[in-house]
Amino acid sequence: DGGITQSPKYLFRKEGQNVTLSCEQNLNHDAMYWYRQDPGQGLRLIYYSQIVNDFQKGDIAEGYSVSREKKESFPLTVTSAQKNPTAFYLCASSPPAGRGRYEQYFGPGTRLTVT
Amino acid sequence: GQQVMQIPQYQHVQEGEDFTTYCNSSTTLSNIQWYKQRPGGHPVFLIQLVKSGEVKKQKRLTFQFGEAKKNSSLHITATQTTDVGTYFCAGLRTYKYIFGTGTRLKVLA
Repeated sequence: DGGITQSPKYLFRKEGQNVTLSCEQNLNHDAMYWYRQDPGQGLRLIYYSQIVNDFQKGDIAEGYSVSREKKESFPLTVTSAQKNPTAFYLCASSPPAGRGRYEQYFGPGTRLTVT
Repeated sequence: GQQVMQIPQYQHVQEGEDFTTYCNSSTTLSNIQWYKQRPGGHPVFLIQLVKSGEVKKQKRLTFQFGEAKKNSSLHITATQTTDVGTYFCAGLRTYKYIFGTGTRLKVLA
């Protein structure tokens, strides 16, 4: 059963702690993305990766870090430098470029609460 | 930076009424996609439009891409309670998706 998994669904952390959100896909997609969604708002791009061992900053990368050591995995670390980390985090992947299909498949998301 | 705006931000309709959301980009887009996010859920891909002036239909949903490839619309005919959710457009520019602000639709039975 192919898809994108994110874990955990809910995550609670104390202020000042780093936390890593997991994102795994078995769709054989090259591109992966991390978005942040705040209540009642749209999606803002944090980081994206077109290929293993390469990634680029999105619009709101400050306070976040990522790695792409494997095609299937794109973990996101929310560092203590992120001023307002409480949000809904969504991971997505898309088919290989050049096939004319660029739709994104989203995971179920992780709701992070930092107090 | 590039922005993609959607209007309206919210829309409440009676079941059976039509609904339209509009998406406007400050720059030309390679393509436009539409997603639906149910309350508490994650965005789900609906459709992709690539050509200038393109129109596509999915049952009661009609999608349009503007001639200048800077705007798009989603029209739902005779809304049903299952249409409830937030509809997002997303424009593709150099491997980056720029998501619109979304339109939240509520359907009153």
